[in-house]
Order: sequence, then structure tokens, then C-alpha cells
Amino acid sequence: EVQLVETGGGLVQPGKSLKLTCATSGFTFSTAWMHWVRQSPEKRLEWIARIKDKSNNYATDYVESVKGRFTISRDDSKSSVYLQMNSLKEEDTATYYCTLTTRYNWFAYWGQGTLVTVSS
Amino acid sequence: DIQMTQSPSSMSASLGDRVTITCQASQDIGNNLIWFQQKPGKSPRRMIYYATNLANGVPSRFSGSRSGSDYSLTIISLESEDMADYHCLQYKQYPLTFGSGTKLEIK
Repeated sequence: EVQLVETGGGLVQPGKSLKLTCATSGFTFSTAWMHWVRQSPEKRLEWIARIKDKSNNYATDYVESVKGRFTISRDDSKSSVYLQMNSLKEEDTATYYCTLTTRYNWFAYWGQGTLVTVSS
Repeated sequence: DIQMTQSPSSMSASLGDRVTITCQASQDIGNNLIWFQQKPGKSPRRMIYYATNLANGVPSRFSGSRSGSDYSLTIISLESEDMADYHCLQYKQYPLTFGSGTKLEIK
């Protein structure tokens, strides 16, 4: 059974940092491309980052609104993907989900999400 | 970036009704579109992939179609369990982009 479990969310002040973790199991993590997607309080979904696998040099991509502030990374030995979030803004307040794509399976599996609230 | 214009933003329909939700892509995305269903407090559930393919376990009353740059999700006979938010996602080009969502309520 595929499982993705996000942790690390919480209340943080503007300008501060937070690191999210997505621990996974039940699939071949090393060959999957991993993504972070967030959902605003208004329920709008936004794709924010992707990291490819080793054979693709762990290439990353980001939505413009988080470039330079957020960093996606992965540890294949731990089957985990991370999202380092710096210089947080109130508009980063959202539930953050991790999800995955493989060659034949796009976005079929999602974690339960972790809530990040940026507020003073 | 590719813009996905989703409509309607909300709708109310009766049990047994035929319901259609649409996303229009601002650029060519081929068939690289997914429809998600999301119920309160839950993660998105993939319903349709590659524009017209029914995902595993999804009831056959759901279907996806494409006409040019317009993509539709249709429920042929609405059931109470279909009350949810629905989102489209284009995965042709990064950054991947979602539609703004449709809230489907039962009358």
C-alpha cells in the first residue's frame, strides 16, 4: 500500500523558516518524481515544486511565487522528500501536500497534508 | 504559464441530474489533464487522467472529454456521495497549474 505522510507544519511568524517532511512507503521511491502541492484557505490548489529522480540528476522546478525561498530535496535512502521554506509570508499559509508521479502514474497518491500558518 | 479557466465556480444539482464541469486551457496541453475530486478534510482523489481515462475504482458515471482546448468532467447521474470540490490540473508544462475549482452541492 502506498503511503505518504507529511509532517512539520505549524504556526510560524512572517520571515521565519520551516521544513516539511514527507515520509513514504509502498512504492519504488528512488525512481519516482516527487511534488509538493499546497491548498490555500480558500481551497485553491497550487503546484509549487517538483524533484526528479537520480537518473534525471534530481532536477528541480518551482512555481515563480516560491522561487528563491523554497527548496525541495529528497533522501532516497529514507524514501523521503523535504520542503525547506524560508522567508515565509502570510500568503504561504496553506495545507501542504506531497504527491508523486511515475512514468505510468501521475498524481494518483497524496499524503494527508500538513497545515502551515504564517502569522504574527 | 498555462492558465486553466474552470467553470462554474459552484453549482447545485439534484440527485440523478447530469452535471458537467469545464476547464479551458490557455495553451495547447494535448490530453495532459487530470480531474480530481476532493471532499472536506480529505486529500484530492484522482478521478480522470489523460483527459478521458477513468482512474481505478472510480464509478462509471464519471467521464472526461475534450473538445479543442475545452476539457469536461461529466457525471451522468448525480449521487449524494458526489458532493465535493472538483479541480482540474494540466501536466503538459511546468509550472503545473490547477483550475480554480468547482464546488458541487446537492439540491
